[in-house]
Amino acid sequence: GAGVSQSPRYKVAKRGQDVALRCDPISGHVSLFWYQQALGQGPEFLTYFQNEAQLDKSGLPSDRFFAERPEGSVSTLKIQRTQQEDSAVYLCASSSSEGYYEQYFGPGTRLTVT
Amino acid sequence: SQQGEEDPQALSIQEGENATMNCSYKTSINNLQWYRQNSGRGLVHLILIRSNEREKHSGRLRVTLDTSKKSSSLLITASRAADTASYFCATVSFTGANSKLTFGKGITLSVRP
Repeated sequence: GAGVSQSPRYKVAKRGQDVALRCDPISGHVSLFWYQQALGQGPEFLTYFQNEAQLDKSGLPSDRFFAERPEGSVSTLKIQRTQQEDSAVYLCASSSSEGYYEQYFGPGTRLTVT
Repeated sequence: SQQGEEDPQALSIQEGENATMNCSYKTSINNLQWYRQNSGRGLVHLILIRSNEREKHSGRLRVTLDTSKKSSSLLITASRAADTASYFCATVSFTGANSKLTFGKGITLSVRP
């Protein structure tokens, strides 16, 4: 079936604007993760959902970042009042189990804050 | 914060040669995974090795794990130009329900045709 999809693929926002990034995980995958990848770095964990429950949001850098997964499938990462340091690629991944298995990544959303 | 460090940071080899990449990490793990990322694309899972395993093979890939040294290596045999990409090791620690990945900074592999 289809892999993880993310939209938009690219987003340019002016400083102070709010943005919403969408993730469609692989159908039936219980676990969903958001990561932030700065240029030239490895991805860093932001938050984790098991079905609709957000079990870990320890990686969210500030209270301007908010994520939800209301029906246990599609997830949205929202960033309020964007700052230049928010510029990065935001990756979504899903996994078929809450266990310790491989994650399937989407292509990412490249956010540029000007 | 990033868990591990890969070594070398960049590697350039000729097609047909083998490529060896190393990864070190800091905390106890449940498993270690290697991912590949082509320019501008998402990450692709390559191989997973559990903490009670020492070596694993998948096609042209061989991964080893030494938990006493907190290190892993990824060997790609008979490299191809299509193997050109960034490679990341990522660990999963004993964190209960959350199997989040903690990545290193990555290794840039260039395979010259």
